[in-house]
Amino acid sequence: EAGVAQSPRYKIIEKRQSVAFWCNPISGHATLYWYQQILGQGPKLLIQFQNNGVVDDSQLPKDRFSAERLKGVDSTLKIQPAKLEDSAVYLCASSLATGHSNTEAFFGQGTRLTVV
Amino acid sequence: AQSVSQHNHHVILSEAASLELGCNYSYGGTVNLFWYVQYPGQHLQLLLKYFSGDPLVKGIKGFEAEFIKSKFSFNLRKPSVQWSDTAEYFCAASYSSASKIIFGSGTRLSIRP
Repeated sequence: EAGVAQSPRYKIIEKRQSVAFWCNPISGHATLYWYQQILGQGPKLLIQFQNNGVVDDSQLPKDRFSAERLKGVDSTLKIQPAKLEDSAVYLCASSLATGHSNTEAFFGQGTRLTVV
Repeated sequence: AQSVSQHNHHVILSEAASLELGCNYSYGGTVNLFWYVQYPGQHLQLLLKYFSGDPLVKGIKGFEAEFIKSKFSFNLRKPSVQWSDTAEYFCAASYSSASKIIFGSGTRLSIRP
């Protein structure tokens, strides 16, 4: 089966600019996650969707980050304006998980963002 | 707060040595546990998972992990490592079905040929 697709793979922007990342999850996966992975650290959850509803966005810096999952499939994550500390790899993952089942998350290749 | 701790930041072993990477999780309720691996230049891949049942879980590439509830631990083991096991290893946990997956800080494993 096709995996989680993310684009772009790499992005370099200047601080205060905006940037958007796109994710296409595995077909049929209800749950979609966006993680931020700073160099040398583990992935940190930014936002979790189940279908097109937000389950958890407690660690999303809402003053600059936004995400949406239209029609419960693809998702976009936006940063506006970007700061130097936003330099990281942004990972998208999806899973079959619903409120009544457990399953693992499958990850995309990630988008490496460099803010200069 | 729910958290996952990995004790070793960087482990260096020779080929054929045995491996054990530590992982502890917080919270005493129902937990789902995972080990993910990230090979250089590749995406995160699942090594193994524990949801319930036999606490000794076998995964891909000869890895296994043991869930010890009394110790809140889920250590990863492999009896004999290979150079190709060089990678970053992440322990992760979720605390109910469909809840967020929380990752540890990762352990970088380097294997000397």
